[in-house]
Amino acid sequence: QKEVEQDPGPLSVPEGAIVSLNCTYSNSAFQYFMWYRQYSRKGPELLMYTYSSGNKEDGRFTAQVDKSSKYISLFIRDSQPSDSATYLCAMSLNTGFQKLVFGTGTRLLVSP
Amino acid sequence: GAGVSQSPSNKVTEKGKDVELRCDPISGHTALYWYRQRLGQGLEFLIYFQGNSAPDKSGLPSDRFSAERTGESVSTLTIQRTQQEDSAVYLCASSLSGGGDTQYFGPGTRLTVL
Repeated sequence: QKEVEQDPGPLSVPEGAIVSLNCTYSNSAFQYFMWYRQYSRKGPELLMYTYSSGNKEDGRFTAQVDKSSKYISLFIRDSQPSDSATYLCAMSLNTGFQKLVFGTGTRLLVSP
Repeated sequence: GAGVSQSPSNKVTEKGKDVELRCDPISGHTALYWYRQRLGQGLEFLIYFQGNSAPDKSGLPSDRFSAERTGESVSTLTIQRTQQEDSAVYLCASSLSGGGDTQYFGPGTRLTVL
């Protein structure tokens, strides 16, 4: 079993839809949780990070962490075609960001 | 300012050959990371450099893999006697320091071993 599980998709939605992306994990010691966006042939870029449980909102993006269920989510409101990319969750231990453990990524396609 | 750059962008090699991949971090970033991204899989941590400290090599998959970093600048990842399973995108990232600083990724080097 992988430490971090993520549905590879693709997830296809129409423009304007609310998108829900999720990851589950097995290591209860993870404390930092991140979401990266990766466009084709590009390196990942950090979208959001949270520490421990709770919600965090940034514009159209909301990240949720439920440590009791070992489950994290990224919600995208009013999705746009420019949001089409692969979304990777990542997490690390309480020592910080040095050794990130990534999910496989979910490919999102937003059609106009 | 310039981001993380990597070269070459693509590398095709024959099984058994050695390859060198280069990473130029963002100027002033003391921490540098290498990851491998195989098709359909998540990024795998390979190695981490922080300043003049001994690197964390715990993610290197075999002794055919090695990496060096000169001071707080360029890093080179070397794969000796390449195997087909080494085919992947190799990503480099840098951060201002270790700890909780954001990692900024380069575009990666796509390695294909025939």
